[in-house]
Amino acid sequence: EVQLVESGGGLVQPGGSLRLSCAGSAFTFSSYWMHWVRQAPGKGLVWVSRIKGDGSSTSYADSVKGRFTISRDNAKNTLYLQMNSLRADDTAVYYCVRDGATVTTYFDYWGQGTLVTVSS
Amino acid sequence: SYELTQPPSVSVSPGQTASITCSGDKLGNIHACWYQQKPGQSPVLVIYEDTKRPSGIPERFSGSNSGDTATLTISGTQAMDEADYYCQAWDSSAAVFGGGTKLTVL
Repeated sequence: EVQLVESGGGLVQPGGSLRLSCAGSAFTFSSYWMHWVRQAPGKGLVWVSRIKGDGSSTSYADSVKGRFTISRDNAKNTLYLQMNSLRADDTAVYYCVRDGATVTTYFDYWGQGTLVTVSS
Repeated sequence: SYELTQPPSVSVSPGQTASITCSGDKLGNIHACWYQQKPGQSPVLVIYEDTKRPSGIPERFSGSNSGDTATLTISGTQAMDEADYYCQAWDSSAAVFGGGTKLTVL
């Protein structure tokens, strides 16, 4: 069964940094685009970033561009999100998701999420 | 930037049909998908590429997409279907979600 397990969330001060990890299993990790999606408390889903299976292409939401960096280590079946210059409005549950795309992007598997709280 | 609009809430009686809409400019020209999220849980894909149902999703869930509107239809709605529902599409190089619809079964 496909599993995505996030880790690395926690409490961080404004301006600080945090690195999230997501371990994938039971699928050929390197064959899939992977994404991060976040959800602020009581709010809706917001796409954050994506990376191609071989790591050669990335894209970001405007709200995180220049502050967040997505990467992956296919030898370890692990996805990362390096978050710098964190702000209060980055507070959210961050989900690691697999892109099941055949024709277009859709998210067929989601991790359990990891909570990031930015507060002094 | 592209926007998807959903009604904040929809109510339905058990056994009846619930319809949740998602509106966006020429949405019918790109594919839409739908996620169900219950309190405290991660979202679950229920419809992809407008009309397809992942394995394990009950047949009572169906989708359509034409013009500016995609619709998620739940036939014979059950109490277990009470949840938040989000539509999503891919525009240029970003995924876009609707604001979500809270489905109440009463």
